[in-house]
Amino acid sequence: DSGVTQTPKHLITATGQRVTLRCSPRSGDLSVYWYQQSLDQGLQFLIQYYNGEERAKGNILERFSAQQFPDLHSELNLSSLELGDSALYFCASVAPYGYGYTFGSGTRLTVV
Amino acid sequence: SQKIEQNSEALNIQEGKTATLTCNYTNYSPAYLQWYRQDPGRGPVFLLLIRENEKEKRKERLKVTFDTTLKQSLFHITASQPADSATYLCAVSGSARQLTFGSGTQLTVLP
Repeated sequence: DSGVTQTPKHLITATGQRVTLRCSPRSGDLSVYWYQQSLDQGLQFLIQYYNGEERAKGNILERFSAQQFPDLHSELNLSSLELGDSALYFCASVAPYGYGYTFGSGTRLTVV
Repeated sequence: SQKIEQNSEALNIQEGKTATLTCNYTNYSPAYLQWYRQDPGRGPVFLLLIRENEKEKRKERLKVTFDTTLKQSLFHITASQPADSATYLCAVSGSARQLTFGSGTQLTVLP
């Protein structure tokens, strides 16, 4: 157990639907990063939050949004899902003065 | 645009030998370079970080080098074991600490 908790582990949904992925960072970590990993794209940075505020955006589609709550857990919302959104979604957290990411075990999203 | 290349999508070596993985980057001057291990269906696990002003870093059987002139990092696993079989990812970041990952090298250590 890395200390970063992601739920659910697996999600199967239909095209056009909306899902919410949840992440709780390691205790004491203020930053949360979301990544998407598909077979042909590798790990792609989506978005970063620090202590409730958005800090950086990567290749995140407009159909996707995220937020970090006062208790520091984060949610990634994916809407109008397409087949191509099927992937592993990871979140990671970093210690306030550290650099190495601690990743969760991921959510495997399958859009059918 | 920034590009990180890890040559050799797959690398097979014999147990006990040294595995050497390569990471090259272009259009980027990272302040930090990191290596991660990823097992199938699992999240990446942080292994080592090296800063731009460091040439080499070691941790047990692992060694990382960083050549900012060549824009290259080498990752070595000495006395490799079958348990070292995994995908190894190189990642770079600036001061913002947001990581950009390479596509990874799948290492198989044969008994």
